Amino acid sequence: AAGVIQSPRHLIKEKRETATLKCYPIPRHDTVYWYQQGPGQDPQFLISFYEKMQSDKGSIPDRFSAQQFSDYHSELNMSSLELGDSALYFCASSSSGRGDTQYFGPGTRLTVL
Amino acid sequence: KNQVEQSPQSLIILEGKNCTLQCNYTVSPFSNLRWYKQDTGRGPVSLTIMTFSENTKSNGRYTATLDADTKQSSLHITASQLSDSASYICVVRSWGKLQFGAGTQVVVTP
Repeated sequence: AAGVIQSPRHLIKEKRETATLKCYPIPRHDTVYWYQQGPGQDPQFLISFYEKMQSDKGSIPDRFSAQQFSDYHSELNMSSLELGDSALYFCASSSSGRGDTQYFGPGTRLTVL
Repeated sequence: KNQVEQSPQSLIILEGKNCTLQCNYTVSPFSNLRWYKQDTGRGPVSLTIMTFSENTKSNGRYTATLDADTKQSSLHITASQLSDSASYICVVRSWGKLQFGAGTQVVVTP
């Protein structure tokens, strides 16, 4: 069965650069969630979208923005990168945003030098 | 600090009157919010369940509202009956877990 696809899998950027992470949900899933997991930490919820509208917001920095497109894929845009942004970024998707199980992608490992 | 706070802690109302219970939460991400009624010595019974796209849901004389922007919910009991005397618990589902409020104890008097 198709799973959540994230790209790229690895990304290396320098401070103050920008990065864009992409997430392709499972087909017919209409909700996507973004999480940030620092080294040795629990995943922290950043933001979620349902039917292309922001549905919930967590600890997403103002330097980050995200959106969900008409084909339900989502992009997380990160600007003015800082060393502390180095983390594993997970995307998850679910169906109908009704508390259904979230299926996680493999993650994008971002390293900021 | 509890991420689901209910008010008031307790409430005494006359039979036939209306009342409103409040639930404020800081839980994130939000999946759904449930109101339960728990009679003394019994397990909780679900009254309503709402997702972020639902503003109001009714179950008989119980009407729940949800404002996902302000993270507030209320449970309104209309024309209270003696059988409404119970504890009313607000539960928010997040990250696969349930976060419970402390409950509001409602006593309906004749």
